[in-house]
Amino acid sequence: DQQVKQNSPSLSVQEGRISILNCDYTNSMFDYFLWYKKYPAEGPTFLISISSIKDKNEDGRFTVFLNKSAKHLSLHIVPSQPGDSAVYFCAASETGTASKLTFGTGTRLQVTL
Amino acid sequence: EAQVTQNPRYLITVTGKKLTVTCSQNMNHEYMSWYRQDPGLGLRQIYYSMNVEVTDKGDVPEGYKVSRKEKRNFPLILESPSPNQTSLYFCASSLFLTDTQYFGPGTRLTVL
Repeated sequence: DQQVKQNSPSLSVQEGRISILNCDYTNSMFDYFLWYKKYPAEGPTFLISISSIKDKNEDGRFTVFLNKSAKHLSLHIVPSQPGDSAVYFCAASETGTASKLTFGTGTRLQVTL
Repeated sequence: EAQVTQNPRYLITVTGKKLTVTCSQNMNHEYMSWYRQDPGLGLRQIYYSMNVEVTDKGDVPEGYKVSRKEKRNFPLILESPSPNQTSLYFCASSLFLTDTQYFGPGTRLTVL
């Protein structure tokens, strides 16, 4: 049972436009969410996170939005750049378990010129 | 340079031949973890360790063993590999769980 879902396996966006990557979760106990970026032949690297006490977190061109009632989060990249082309994973965890992250299946973003 | 290293990066082996994938971090992190990445399934946790001599199962522990005798090392052991363990494996470490996890570069394992 996939508790964290990324329903779009791929996304293509033009350079300079906004990229929106979506993530849904089913476990209401999740209260901390992260996005990781992965380039080919490399390990995932942390991008941005958000706690459930917030509904938005911003870091430069990257903003994560959390809608707890809908169990939905999204990552916005503005403006998109060719170097953003990668696979993006969302992940979630429960406070207090301090034991593991549950990852989504990933979305491959391609930023075209 | 702060990093997580894994060895080997690529391995082709045969069913039943015991193997170990090493993982080492130089950041004095308490928490270490092993994941496997498979198409359409994302990253799934195999085992994790909260500290030396403290390990626990993740989501897909069957067929794997781990040990944490030193803080910096967290090897993944496949006692009798099978073809369904063909996958891309990542080791990760962090100071705490909700701290940033640093991932190694990955080990691509093929079991024939």
